[in-house]
Amino acid sequence: QSALTQPASVSGSPGQSITISCTGTSSDIGNYNYVSWYQQHPGKAPKLMIYDVSNRPSGVSNRFSGSKSGNTASLTISGLQAEDEADYYCSSSTTSSTRVFGTGTKVTVL
Amino acid sequence: EVQLVESGGGLVQPGGSLRLSCAASGFTFSSYAMGWVRQAPGKGLEWVSGIGGSGSSTYYADSVKGRFTISRDNSKNTLYLEMISLRVEDTAVYYCAKYGSGSSHLDYWGQGTLVTVSA
Repeated sequence: QSALTQPASVSGSPGQSITISCTGTSSDIGNYNYVSWYQQHPGKAPKLMIYDVSNRPSGVSNRFSGSKSGNTASLTISGLQAEDEADYYCSSSTTSSTRVFGTGTKVTVL
Repeated sequence: EVQLVESGGGLVQPGGSLRLSCAASGFTFSSYAMGWVRQAPGKGLEWVSGIGGSGSSTYYADSVKGRFTISRDNSKNTLYLEMISLRVEDTAVYYCAKYGSGSSHLDYWGQGTLVTVSA
């Protein structure tokens, strides 16, 4: 199972909106509405930000939103803040009953 | 409060073996699937293995199939990962994680334990 494809880096100024894409195949993203997104700060464990494409866990800011079209999922961060600077990973269920992560995107707040 | 605490990491020679443990608390352990995710130094996340709540269903990444075995002891609220025939490329921080309802996502993670495979 190959990793899902994400841009290596995305940047934006405080207050702006950014979108991170996550491209898979018909064997993962395209076949399930089970895309999740994780935020990871340096030296810390990942944190769930979005699950089942567009659902936010309790406690996660509504500045984070998710969507999906075909084999590509997206995470949008609106009203970018300094604390959003981190690595972000998408993940999907697969037809092999496994899970696959994306290659990861480093978000920089300018 | 959900807590996941990994242990058992360390330095091992290529070809060696190691068993990781993950002590869980704060939720009904047997009701949720659990998994292991690893992260090599400076690299991204890699899903390693998952197990259903009863322990009867197990799943593995191709990279570890046949070498790693996931298991759980619901009476001890503990998840395990038995690793044999370890390779240099297995060097990583190994995270224990709990699946959320529906088992589609990992909603809680431990802090990780470092496994270093080196001669």
